[in-house]
Amino acid sequence: AQTVTQSQPEMSVQEAETVTLSCTYDTSESDYYLFWYKQPPSRQMILVIRQEAYKQQNATENRFSVNFQKAAKSFSLKISDSQLGDAAMYFCAYRRYTGTASKLTFGTGTRLQVTL
Amino acid sequence: GAVVSQHPSWVICKSGTSVKIECRSLDFQATTMFWYRQFPKQSLMLMATSNEGSKATYEQGVEKDKFLINHASLTLSTLTVTSAHPEDSSFYICSARDVYEQFFGPGTRLTVL
Repeated sequence: AQTVTQSQPEMSVQEAETVTLSCTYDTSESDYYLFWYKQPPSRQMILVIRQEAYKQQNATENRFSVNFQKAAKSFSLKISDSQLGDAAMYFCAYRRYTGTASKLTFGTGTRLQVTL
Repeated sequence: GAVVSQHPSWVICKSGTSVKIECRSLDFQATTMFWYRQFPKQSLMLMATSNEGSKATYEQGVEKDKFLINHASLTLSTLTVTSAHPEDSSFYICSARDVYEQFFGPGTRLTVL
């Protein structure tokens, strides 16, 4: 079974600084997706970024980028120029590549605080 | 992105009553819908997966007779919590997937007195 581990329960960053959230996963599959989701206090889950395992290039979405190390099974999220609105729970998630009913496996989450 | 709605956003009920939560994909047809439960300060726990017109597949440990899921159309799924008890109080989130992406509803807070 696939597992996703987020070893940082809480992180803090100053506004305008950069922070990196860690995620490791375990799978025997070769094709899969990895995601970072944000859950602000409203509790609405928001997709931050997605990475296909077959792509060597790291995904980037504006201030958010990932460092995908397939061999190490590591998938970290870097937030640059942090803003107050980035404060939220961040969940790393894994999903098999094939099958419309394939399930998301979530990590335990990292709570990010952004300070002035 | 696509929108998934949930209704109601919060509900309070008495112990022993049943509560129905609706999940709709507003601007796309969902091939698959998922129901999650989230306890405070914890991650999302998948309860069941459903495809339109077929029976839901429940995760291990989830009581299918307590949490009834109906996926009547490609845009509507319902979760009914039957004979609710205080331990069923939680935050319930639905999610709908089209071919490529999975989108989440805003969640429903259920409080059972």
